[in-house]
Amino acid sequence: GQQLNQSPQSMFIQEGEDVSMNCTSSSIFNTWLWYKQDPGEGPVLLIALYKAGELTSNGRLTAQFGITRKDSFLNISASIPSDVGIYFCAGLKNYGGSQGNLIFGKGTKLSVKP
Amino acid sequence: NAGVTQTPKFRILKIGQSMTLQCTQDMNHNYMYWYRQDPGMGLKLIYYSVGAGITDKGEVPNGYNVSRSTTEDFPLRLELAAPSQTSVYFCASSYRETQFFGPGTRLTVL
Repeated sequence: GQQLNQSPQSMFIQEGEDVSMNCTSSSIFNTWLWYKQDPGEGPVLLIALYKAGELTSNGRLTAQFGITRKDSFLNISASIPSDVGIYFCAGLKNYGGSQGNLIFGKGTKLSVKP
Repeated sequence: NAGVTQTPKFRILKIGQSMTLQCTQDMNHNYMYWYRQDPGMGLKLIYYSVGAGITDKGEVPNGYNVSRSTTEDFPLRLELAAPSQTSVYFCASSYRETQFFGPGTRLTVL
């Protein structure tokens, strides 16, 4: 099946540091989504990207939809302890009249040391 | 709005037993999904539905069945539980691209 390569697999950083993670694919996607999952919870949507080149922010989070439509990155600035969790990228091939299905990366586990 | 709710939160099954995982959403979304998440992995789509009465297989449908008699409910059925079905199961619903997830059901098959 289709795969998204998400990296890094895990990160252990100091509070206050900036974080960067990315997803790449051999396929083109129409939409990129970034989710965060806290332990014992379902994923929660952080940012949705709909156009190639689009750069979108949500507080300390910034994500970009790659120009080639085959990649996306997520940055977190000035990390805090509550940023701990697993971050997933997800790509969607079809939208509008045809919903399509999400393809998920394997996640980046973020640990923040106070 | 409660969003997407799932029951039960935890369940232990013996091999060969059957059970139904319940999922309900109150957002009037047409699209609903069932995923499984294994340790260290992303989510894999089991089944999805584009509306009441319409369901289709996802990436890993073997060993599962679904039905969609109403917009709100999308139960997932395991007929003959196997250890390979030990996982965390997430239900989601969506309006267009954005999927909203339930809190998950942690299932162990022994």
